[in-house]
Amino acid sequence: AQTVTQSQPEMSVQEAETVTLSCTYDTSENNYYLFWYKQPPSRQMILVIRQEAYKQQNATENRFSVNFQKAAKSFSLKISDSQLGDTAMYFCAFMFSGNQFYFGTGTSLTVIP
Amino acid sequence: DTAVSQTPKYLVTQMGNDKSIKCEQNLGHDTMYWYKQDSKKFLKIMFSYNNKELIINETVPNRFSPKSPDKAHLNLHINSLELGDSAVYFCASSQWGGARGTEAFFGQGTRLTVV
Repeated sequence: AQTVTQSQPEMSVQEAETVTLSCTYDTSENNYYLFWYKQPPSRQMILVIRQEAYKQQNATENRFSVNFQKAAKSFSLKISDSQLGDTAMYFCAFMFSGNQFYFGTGTSLTVIP
Repeated sequence: DTAVSQTPKYLVTQMGNDKSIKCEQNLGHDTMYWYKQDSKKFLKIMFSYNNKELIINETVPNRFSPKSPDKAHLNLHINSLELGDSAVYFCASSQWGGARGTEAFFGQGTRLTVV
């Protein structure tokens, strides 16, 4: 069975600072994708960043980057220069063969002005 | 153009009623999903369809019945609604590609309130 764990239910960060959200997963699959989704108060699910398991290089999207440690089954999200608009729920997600998606329980991030 | 659209956005109904939520995607994806998000924001997959064929059917009451008339549509019908069905329901789609699939694209969600 595949599981995704986000151990930080809530986090806060000062505007312009850096914050890291944790995610671990458990799988016996070798080929899979990992994602971070953002859900602002509007409730729309928005893709933040994705990582292919077969790539060693960590994905980066502007202020968002990941630290992917395949052996440790860890996939953390770093947000640099935090902005007020980053306030949202963040979900880590895991997808493997067959487009089966599994989501973590989410981390509520608040950016403090 | 909205990639994944679901209607209605809000639905308030009485216990015991039957209701449907519709979902359409214009991305050409061949896999569609229904997720339920509870009050604690936990996202739980309910159903997954690939090319109109049911491939995931998690443990949900049989009062919930998905229907996929074609690849672009996946509707959710709920019979005999109960208070515990109150939640936000998300439709999503992705492209079947084995381990090289794409991310899921989500609709805007339907907030169902059963009173």
